[in-house]
Amino acid sequence: AQSVSQHNHHVILSEAASLELGCNYSYGGTVNLFWYVQYPGQHLQLLLKYFSGDPLVKGIKGFEAEFIKSKFSFNLRKPSVQWSDTAEYFCAVNSNTGKLIFGQGTTLQVKP
Amino acid sequence: DTEVTQTPKHLVMGMTNKKSLKCEQHMGHRAMYWYKQKAKKPPELMFVYSYEKLSINESVPSRFSPECPNSSLLNLHLHALQPEDSALYLCASSVRGGQGVYEQYFGPGTRLTVT
Repeated sequence: AQSVSQHNHHVILSEAASLELGCNYSYGGTVNLFWYVQYPGQHLQLLLKYFSGDPLVKGIKGFEAEFIKSKFSFNLRKPSVQWSDTAEYFCAVNSNTGKLIFGQGTTLQVKP
Repeated sequence: DTEVTQTPKHLVMGMTNKKSLKCEQHMGHRAMYWYKQKAKKPPELMFVYSYEKLSINESVPSRFSPECPNSSLLNLHLHALQPEDSALYLCASSVRGGQGVYEQYFGPGTRLTVT
C-alpha cells in the first residue's frame, strides 16, 4: 500500500533560519506530489505541487520542493523562515486509486 | 474563484440530534470529498463523489450519510453521533476524481462538537 512518511514531527526554528522538511513516499509508479499548509485556525492551502517536468518546484510564499525519484523523496525547503510560517505542514501523494495519501504532518514553530 | 465554502463554521450537537453540513464550490469541479480531521493529524478521507455519484466510502459508520444534490453541492447528514466524532470536517473538490493529476481544493471546515 502507498504511504507517506514525514520524518520531522515538530520543528522549532528562529526567524531567518533555513527550513527543510523531509517527505518520503512508497510507490514505484508515477506519482503526483503535494505540500499543503494549515495555518492556525485556517484551512488547508496548497503550497506547491509536482506533476512532471522540472523536479525543482517553486510554490507560494518562497517555498520550494525537490522531487528526487531515486530517493522517493519530496522535501520542502525555504531559505529564510518568518514567524508567519508557523503552521502545520502536510506532504501528500495522489495514489493510483485517486485518493490523496497524507503524511502525519510536521508542526513548524518559528520564534520571533 | 478557487473557493470551497462550508457551513456552518461551528456546530454543537447532542448525540440524539440530526444535523447537516453543507459544502459548495463554483469551480466546475466534478469530484467532491469529505474528510475528517482531528487536531494535529492529517485529514482522513471519508467519502468521494465523482460526477454526483458516490465512488468511495472509506467504511464510514452509517451515522454519517453523504449526499450530492448537484455538481456544486455536497452535504453530510449527521445522526446519532458519538463524542469521538467531534472533529473538523473538511470538504474538498477537484477537477475530476479517479486517477490523474488533480489537486484538491479544501474548504475552511466545520468544527463539530458532539456532547
